[in-house]
Amino acid sequence: DAKTTQPPSMDCAEGRAANLPCNHSTISGNEYVYWYRQIHSQGPQYIIHGLKNNETNEMASLIITEDRKSSTLILPHATLRDTAVYYCIVRPNTGNQFYFGTGTSLTVIP
Amino acid sequence: NAGVMQNPRHLVRRRGQEARLRCSPMKGHSHVYWYRQLPEEGLKFMVYLQKENIIDESGMPKERFSAEFPKEGPSILRIQQVVRGDSAAYFCASSFGLGTGELFFGEGSRLTVL
Repeated sequence: DAKTTQPPSMDCAEGRAANLPCNHSTISGNEYVYWYRQIHSQGPQYIIHGLKNNETNEMASLIITEDRKSSTLILPHATLRDTAVYYCIVRPNTGNQFYFGTGTSLTVIP
Repeated sequence: NAGVMQNPRHLVRRRGQEARLRCSPMKGHSHVYWYRQLPEEGLKFMVYLQKENIIDESGMPKERFSAEFPKEGPSILRIQQVVRGDSAAYFCASSFGLGTGELFFGEGSRLTVL
């Protein structure tokens, strides 16, 4: 069901930028890229989403390649509380389903 | 500032019993989604409902599972004759409607089947 590919795990030093990649080579022209994270066993938390242009909010930045086949989520200054599983989701253009893949388990190291 | 409310947060059932999980969406949201997360696995889509309608139940097991979202009251995910394999975290999410809006998730209901 998931249309994205992410590395299973990554480490990042505290205070450094965490760059989480996502491949979505079959994305359609009007499909959005969403990022969520799940800290431990809590409910998933929305981070950011975008269509074509790069996006930034108080949590993160989203860089989408020009061909839209991949994107990178950037946490500019990772903290220990950013340790979580990060999910990259391509939202279908019909219906309203969000399909979660296996995500990337990010560990921020002190 | 009520978000998506799920209850119970923890539920223990014996094999063969029924489990009912409730989800109250955020204020103003009329779309509800249910996801299941087995231990050490990712979230799996189960069902998408609008008020009084099931829009997509492609992720629901064919037997024992049902969902509803009545005109009044919370959405209910019902599991009949539970088995040990039903032990999981069940997450509910809501959204305002079709479009580019994100989903807002509750904290989940954790079902343990003894």
